[in-house]
Amino acid sequence: ETGVTQTPRHLVMGMTNKKSLKCEQHLGHNAMYWYKQSAKKPLELMFVYNFKEQTENNSVPSRFSPECPNSSHLFLHLHTLQPEDSALYLCASSQSTEAFFGQGTRLTVV
Amino acid sequence: AQKVTQAQTEISVVEKEDVTLDCVYETRDTTYYLFWYKQPPSGELVFLIRRNSFDEQNEISGRYSWNFQKSTSSFNFTITASQVVDSAVYFCALIPLGGTSYGKLTFGQGTILTVHP
Repeated sequence: ETGVTQTPRHLVMGMTNKKSLKCEQHLGHNAMYWYKQSAKKPLELMFVYNFKEQTENNSVPSRFSPECPNSSHLFLHLHTLQPEDSALYLCASSQSTEAFFGQGTRLTVV
Repeated sequence: AQKVTQAQTEISVVEKEDVTLDCVYETRDTTYYLFWYKQPPSGELVFLIRRNSFDEQNEISGRYSWNFQKSTSSFNFTITASQVVDSAVYFCALIPLGGTSYGKLTFGQGTILTVHP
């Protein structure tokens, strides 16, 4: 248990569905991240939030919409996804001296 | 901006061999933290070690050891007497503690380690 919790752990959705991924941390960290990890590919940084403000959007398609209502919660809203969006989505939080990851959501788009 | 490079994409060894995973980083900040993470097949990233930029002492933890050399901007990770359970993807990462990138976590591309019985 790292202190970063992601739900759901697994998600199967159709291309016309709308779903949300949730990430929660109670470590007091200021920065939260969404990463995408496709099969046999490196971690791709998607979004960074620092003190609830989005500081980075790494050219992510608009069908992925992040939301950070407070420093402990981070959401990734999904709509009209494509099969190539199937991947492991990892949330992380960091402070200056540490960074921890959630267990990830395994997303399958059918 | 900072960058972390893990030149080895995949490494394959036989059990009991020693293996070293390379990590080279770039940052303009003089103060930063370096990390290694392990990602087993189950998917979660497991924290292994943190090293701050002022501490160049090498560290050993069981079969794991880390060699931090600031002069070459390297933070290499060695597994001694590898075991099948060591098979995973290993990531090196950096957090700068200054400038506009304060606190931003940057990862290397990862090294896939396969240990064969």
